Amino acid sequence: SQQGEEDPQALSIQEGENATMNCSYKTSINNLQWYRQNSGRGLVHLILIRSNEREKHSGRLRVTLDTSKKSSSLLITASRAADTASYFCATDPSSGSARQLTFGSGTQLTVLP
Amino acid sequence: GAVVSQHPSWVICKSGTSVKIECRSLDFQATTMFWYRQFPKQSLMLMATSNEGSKATYEQGVEKDKFLINHASLTLSTLTVTSAHPEDSSFYICSAGGLAGEETQYFGPGTRLLVL
Repeated sequence: SQQGEEDPQALSIQEGENATMNCSYKTSINNLQWYRQNSGRGLVHLILIRSNEREKHSGRLRVTLDTSKKSSSLLITASRAADTASYFCATDPSSGSARQLTFGSGTQLTVLP
Repeated sequence: GAVVSQHPSWVICKSGTSVKIECRSLDFQATTMFWYRQFPKQSLMLMATSNEGSKATYEQGVEKDKFLINHASLTLSTLTVTSAHPEDSSFYICSAGGLAGEETQYFGPGTRLLVL
């Protein structure tokens, strides 16, 4: 079953602007991961943030995690047309040995040139 | 980085036939692989966890006799959609973990199945 929701469901911005996507989840987590999916393709891992971390950076990506609110955000700065894709958060539960990921509903980002 | 492949990338079949999808970890051994299903414009839904040398664990609502999973080696898991029907048309994605010390899963490129 779906762990949580992402908002917005769709986001359209101009090239150069920043894009912020939010993810909420319901249960305890070990870590939260963000993935990108181009249309009809597989998933590309972007960044992982652990439950004891609050913020993480990777290039133009900035991820925050608030475990008290069970929410995370992904910020893409200085967006490019090539960033157009669907973005999913996925939670890794705190229990269990297998790395079962539960995905959010996703945000479709369109970056206009 | 670790690479996971899927074959075929797309398949069209007639209703009632069975379709086998392969998921391979190319440069690492994966003790656990996961199979997901994704409908258009929707998120990924975990179908089952495939463990090398043992029976797969299916998520609630997924028919194990309909979706047969075999994880015969540390680099190969197969998903067979038996007696496929149009409602089985979907995008099937596998992922593999198991790299020592890593929490990241590596996803295959997906297989698009269309059942006529």
